[in-house]
Amino acid sequence: DAKTTQPPSMDCAEGRAANLPCNHSTISGNEYVYWYRQIHSQGPQYIIHGLKNNETNEMASLIITEDRKSSTLILPHATLRDTAVYYCIVSNYGGATNKLIFGTGTLLAVQP
Amino acid sequence: DTEVTQTPKHLVMGMTNKKSLKCEQHMGHRAMYWYKQKAKKPPELMFVYSYEKLSINESVPSRFSPECPNSSLLNLHLHALQPEDSALYLCASSQARQGGETQYFGPGTRLLVL
Repeated sequence: DAKTTQPPSMDCAEGRAANLPCNHSTISGNEYVYWYRQIHSQGPQYIIHGLKNNETNEMASLIITEDRKSSTLILPHATLRDTAVYYCIVSNYGGATNKLIFGTGTLLAVQP
Repeated sequence: DTEVTQTPKHLVMGMTNKKSLKCEQHMGHRAMYWYKQKAKKPPELMFVYSYEKLSINESVPSRFSPECPNSSLLNLHLHALQPEDSALYLCASSQARQGGETQYFGPGTRLLVL
């Protein structure tokens, strides 16, 4: 079973920040938090991941709470092309392979 | 090049047919994955290959047979499929690195079993 809980859907106005929450209260010390997204009819796309520190890259920021039981993905200036299902996944770093168990995700609809 | 390619894009097959799905990557990744995704559902892991050896089989029926001929290529051989096997089949690859790793997904093969 997936180890994360996400709201099924969210709306965001174009140009505004999109804040997507994720609960992972059973996360263990060696598990990373990963975010992927899937635009309709395409393969999932990696966004960002982190262990306990906040992370930022060209796509998004990841804020992980101090107790690591929840996190928030932030898209700073959402565009229509950011409309997608966003998956929050916790997974061990397992050497050469990484078993991703996808939950149901959040459908983010960016409105013009 | 961060691309994973999959062929064919679409496939229609009968329940008695034998077909194969192909996945290729040239990123030097040593782990490759097959996922199955039914409509409006999240992807589900099927198989993992690590250094060209099968390392994970998520109790997939034997009518699905994976093959990893070399480090860049992953096949999924299909035989005697059922209509409920109709789905999007996704391939991914990854390279172990310090601090977690990223899986790169292909666009998928959309399979319809009649």
